[in-house]
Amino acid sequence: NAGVTQTPKFQVLKTGQSMTLQCAQDMNHEYMSWYRQDPGMGLRLIHYSVGAGITDQGEVPNGYNVSRSTTEDFPLRLLSAAPSQTSVYFCASSSPRTGNYGYTFGSGTRLTVV
Amino acid sequence: GDSVTQMERPVTLSEEAFLTINCTYTATGYPSLFWYVQYPGEGLQLLLKATKADDKGSNKGFEATYRKETTSFHLEKGSVQVSDSAVYFCALKGQGAQKLVFGQGTRLTINP
Repeated sequence: NAGVTQTPKFQVLKTGQSMTLQCAQDMNHEYMSWYRQDPGMGLRLIHYSVGAGITDQGEVPNGYNVSRSTTEDFPLRLLSAAPSQTSVYFCASSSPRTGNYGYTFGSGTRLTVV
Repeated sequence: GDSVTQMERPVTLSEEAFLTINCTYTATGYPSLFWYVQYPGEGLQLLLKATKADDKGSNKGFEATYRKETTSFHLEKGSVQVSDSAVYFCALKGQGAQKLVFGQGTRLTINP
């Protein structure tokens, strides 16, 4: 079982560059989300999706876009990278069908913007 | 909105010491409560959960009891090991919701 797979694991970008962080899950979970983790800030929700074709903003959405064309994939796009987006990004998925067992997290993408 | 507050300052203990990490929450209704653990260089793993008042979640020697009256979900372990060194996150999922709200995380270091 792969669970939630994130790629790449590490990335260095120059200010102004764009890129896509990939996230895929093989558990047929309806709900997927992106968080960023910064020191002293815990995890903050960027965007989330309750199913294919449906996305919504979280707590810190500015500078990021998402789409959900399939149940399995939920890519996060940085439109024009800024140093403030240096962070560790986590993708997670869950399903109401599994009850309240929380989320399954990917192993993270460490992004540095220089 | 829903929120979670946990002790921010790092915790350093000696092996076999007793551990408490405090967590309090603000939410309407009856949220589900979770503790996640993040080992160095890894993603978050679910450690334990409780879905209703007075439930006790437990795993790997860790315990936490859902206290509705004090809106708390403190994490405890009777005898910690060096391998417990990690960052611990308290989180809640609102009643009927799917979004998970996290506390700031507490870094735990256990010295041999």
